[in-house]
Amino acid sequence: GAVVSQHPSWVICKSGTSVKIECRSLDFQATTMFWYRQFPKQSLMLMATSNEGSKATYEQGVEKDKFLINHASLTLSTLTVTSAHPEDSSFYICSASGGASGGTNTGELFFGEGSRLTVL
Amino acid sequence: AQSVTQLGSHVSVSEGALVLLRCNYSSSVPPYLFWYVQYPNQGLQLLLKYTSAATLVKGINGFEAEFKKSETSFHLTKPSAHMSDAAEYFCAVTYGGATNKLIFGTGTLLAVQP
Repeated sequence: GAVVSQHPSWVICKSGTSVKIECRSLDFQATTMFWYRQFPKQSLMLMATSNEGSKATYEQGVEKDKFLINHASLTLSTLTVTSAHPEDSSFYICSASGGASGGTNTGELFFGEGSRLTVL
Repeated sequence: AQSVTQLGSHVSVSEGALVLLRCNYSSSVPPYLFWYVQYPNQGLQLLLKYTSAATLVKGINGFEAEFKKSETSFHLTKPSAHMSDAAEYFCAVTYGGATNKLIFGTGTLLAVQP
């Protein structure tokens, strides 16, 4: 299947600094990528939909100035957590659509390995 | 509203026993349904998916799920549990289209006892 890679897998930063997480589709082009946040022992919460060449669409309650998303190419989307605080510590997961199969979009998403952010 | 409900946040079975993880969805249009597995500190791996073809879907690692429209269910089963099946399982639904926006259930943590 299609491969999505995230980097870094782990990151520790000081409060007030900014952290960038990359999400790459390695063997396919992804016009749309999604960013999720997962708290310990909880489900995935969709944060935003990243569209190549246009502004991201944020879910209700997600601060767009806090979580900057850039999707400058068909294989790369980045999530920047600005002025991070301890409450931003979480597991961030990206996903990308695998695109059409036989002309039909089956809705399948391929997920990155996740990035664990710890803010001290 | 679109939603997915997973009954039972924790399920424990003995090795070799049947695994049954429950998922119900709410929808006014035909859904696409998925089961994902997540191992600790990892992303999600697709187990299987239903996209309006056969109602009984077979996935990887011996798992299968049956789409039952009358019950709005998509329960995940495996005849014989293995220790390596211990993980978190998520049911998810999307309604297709360009967004592929997945809505996840709250997850079920499967424990397999020796």
